[in-house]
Amino acid sequence: GESVGLHLPTLSVQEGDNSIINCAYSNSASDYFIWYKQESGKGPQFIIDIRSNMDKRQGQRVTVLLNKTVKHLSLQIAATQPGDSAVYFCAENEYYGQNFVFGPGTRLSVLP
Amino acid sequence: ETGVTQTPRHLVMGMTNKKSLKCEQHLGHNAMYWYKQSAKKPLELMFVYSLEERVENNSVPSRFSPECPNSSHLFLHLHTLQPEDSALYLCASSQESLLAGASNEQFFGPGTRLTVL
Repeated sequence: GESVGLHLPTLSVQEGDNSIINCAYSNSASDYFIWYKQESGKGPQFIIDIRSNMDKRQGQRVTVLLNKTVKHLSLQIAATQPGDSAVYFCAENEYYGQNFVFGPGTRLSVLP
Repeated sequence: ETGVTQTPRHLVMGMTNKKSLKCEQHLGHNAMYWYKQSAKKPLELMFVYSLEERVENNSVPSRFSPECPNSSHLFLHLHTLQPEDSALYLCASSQESLLAGASNEQFFGPGTRLTVL
């Protein structure tokens, strides 16, 4: 029979609420992290990045938090909108490295 | 539009066919990448070219052959593929810099949806 596809975790939030998407990484040498958003039929799109010398970085409606102690990254989206519905990926690499390792992704579904 | 284009957007091929995927970046970047995105695995890096030299080749089968004739163009030549190679193939580019604080953001194209029969 067919192999089971990758089962993405799904986060459903009400429009206007805040969203928090989490990502665990495994390489303690990683020191550069990016969050990407991928809408249906499109390639991943950069949202925000953070280096390991920071624990928080803010963009427009988005905040990335980095906890190096537990190797955890989170993306917070304020006042979630229908256009935020997409799959969100975290990616990590070592300083100056080009070999990004991507997480499996989380599907964000915004409810009206 | 991200400044990275890919053609074709969809491709159906038999296992004995030979085809090529094309990627072009209009951003003046010096590094280009091929990724594979399938339903079974997270996004996987296949090849990296920096300044037109291949710098990464992540144990990709030889039925996939990349070519980077210049810093703006990247090809992925396909031959004798298997049905499990069916996936979305994404091209990306970035400006690699050793300057402290420089962003290594990768700009992705829309991908080529490949189906191998």
